[in-house]
Parts: sequence; C-alpha cells; structure tokens
Amino acid sequence: DAGVTQTPRHEVAEKGQTIILKCEPVSGHNDLFWYRQTKIQGLELLSYFRSKSLMEDGGAFKDRFKAEMLNSSFSTLKIQPTEPKDSAVYLCASSFGAQDTQYFGPGTRLLVL
Amino acid sequence: GDQVKQSPSALSLQEGTNSALRCNFSIATTTVQWFLQNPRGSLMNLFYLVPGTKENGRLKSTFNSKESYSTLHIRDAQLEDSGTYFCAAEAGGSNAKLTFGKGTKLSVKS
Repeated sequence: DAGVTQTPRHEVAEKGQTIILKCEPVSGHNDLFWYRQTKIQGLELLSYFRSKSLMEDGGAFKDRFKAEMLNSSFSTLKIQPTEPKDSAVYLCASSFGAQDTQYFGPGTRLLVL
Repeated sequence: GDQVKQSPSALSLQEGTNSALRCNFSIATTTVQWFLQNPRGSLMNLFYLVPGTKENGRLKSTFNSKESYSTLHIRDAQLEDSGTYFCAAEAGGSNAKLTFGKGTKLSVKS
C-alpha cells in the first residue's frame, strides 16, 4: 500500500510568491492533516479535513495559508504571499478517523528568501 | 505553558543501555501517539495508546490517563534508535486533532 505522498520534497521561493504544496493521503483514509514544523515552534496544526470537509483551519494561519481538498485522494496547501518566516517543513498526515493512528508523509522543505 | 510537555529535551545513550522518555499532559487526553522522526525527517508512528501499556520489540509505552502522563521505554538502545521522539495527545470524541510535544532528541553512541 502506498503511504502518504507529498510533492515537491523541496521548494525555494522568493518573498511574495505563491506556492502550492501537494499531498495524497493513504487510500481509504477519511482524515487529512497539514502541519508545519519548525525548530522553535515544533509541530503545529495548519488544517484538518474529514471526508473533504474542513474541520479546523489552525487559527493563526488563516491569513496567508489556504488548504483545500477537492477530492478524497488529493489536497493542496497554498501559501500566498510567502514570507521568510514561512521557511519550515510542511507535513501532511492522514488517518481513518478519530482515535486512529496518523500516518505522515515525507514532508516538503520550504525555504523563502 | 506547553500543553504537552516532553522530557528530557535531549538524551545521549550508550549502545546497549536503557532509558525512558516522558510526556506530561495539561489538556484532556483520551489517546496518545508516539512517533520517531529519523535524521532524514520522516515521522514514523511507534505506538497508538489508550490507557494501558503496549510493547513492541525493545520499546514499551504506557499511558496513565488518571495522572496525565505517558512514558516510552527503550531497552538495549541501538544506533538506529537515534532521532527525535514525539508524543502527541488526542482529546477524544470525534475530533482527531493531535497536540504534539516539542520532542526528545536521542543520540545513541557506540
């Protein structure tokens, strides 16, 4: 079975650009999560979908971050416009639902100059 | 303060020794997950816990919901155990959101 896949694995952007990160969850999973990981803040939840419906949009990240899930097997995270402080690893995870193991993708390492 | 507090923040072990990592929760926690992030950055799920204990090879984890903590015991540490260990709390109900600790960075040396 394929795990969670994420593309691209690395992204370099100039300040002010728009970037789109992509995630494909494990087939059959109903829940999908986007996290941001930095050394200082650790792992922070950006967005959480259940059966394509947005359950949580991570409050502080509403401004320039938008996650979408147009079908059950694909999600995007758009950052617009990017700022240097957005440099981080963006992780996607999926699970069957509440009280179930979350499986993580390999992450996208974003550098904003 | 941190809702999920992990200790220690870093740990160095000699190969073959044992150790324990701990998470204390200050939020309502129904289930706990433990993950290992390897040096390449991949997060691997180690345990999914309801209150009680699970064991897998050289790893054993306990979740005590009454006292709001979880532990991860590593027995006979090996070089490949090196990485950062994260615990995460799930509040329960229909919300699957996890709140993560800041991690314990483990280095196993020969």
